[in-house]
Amino acid sequence: ETGVTQTPRHLVMGMTNKKSLKCEQHLGHNAMYWYKQSAKKPLELMFVYSLEERVENNSVPSRFSPECPNSSHLFLHLHTLQPEDSALYLCASSQAQTDTQYFGPGTRLTVL
Amino acid sequence: TQLLEQSPQFLSIQEGENLTVYCNSSSVFSSLQWYRQEPGEGPVLLVTVVTGGEVKKLKRLTFQFGDARKDSSLHITAAQPGDTGLYLCAGARYNNNDMRFGAGTRLTVKP
Repeated sequence: ETGVTQTPRHLVMGMTNKKSLKCEQHLGHNAMYWYKQSAKKPLELMFVYSLEERVENNSVPSRFSPECPNSSHLFLHLHTLQPEDSALYLCASSQAQTDTQYFGPGTRLTVL
Repeated sequence: TQLLEQSPQFLSIQEGENLTVYCNSSSVFSSLQWYRQEPGEGPVLLVTVVTGGEVKKLKRLTFQFGDARKDSSLHITAAQPGDTGLYLCAGARYNNNDMRFGAGTRLTVKP
């Protein structure tokens, strides 16, 4: 148990669906992250939030929309996804952006 | 090109063997982390090293941070099937407000 939870753990959606991934951290951290991990590819950093403000957006398609309503919660809203978006989506948090990151268990997303 | 290069990419060994995996960069890091990730799960932190030349031991795992703080190694003694997983290194660069990950070494330990 790392103190970072993610729901759902598994999600199957069609290309026209809208869904959201949720991440919650119980560590009192100030920074939160979304990563995409595809099979046999390195971790791809998608978004970084620090003190609830987005500080990094690594050329992610607009069909992925993050939301950070407070320092403990992070959402990733999904809309009109493509099959190539199927991957493990990982959330992480850290005290500051240069500090050790703690990961949630991930959401395995399959887009049909 | 990855900021942190991990080698080898894949490693398959028999139970009981020793192994070393590497994490190298041309950049200097203020700290470096090692994680292990099992299939379908998130990476789990193994260790953080912060001092050049530092050696940390975690049971059969030995972590070393290079003197120049540009590289690190992970040595596993008498590997067991439970050591199977993806080993990731991550580092915080000096004068950069971020943490970057390597691509990982995928280790398989056969019984």
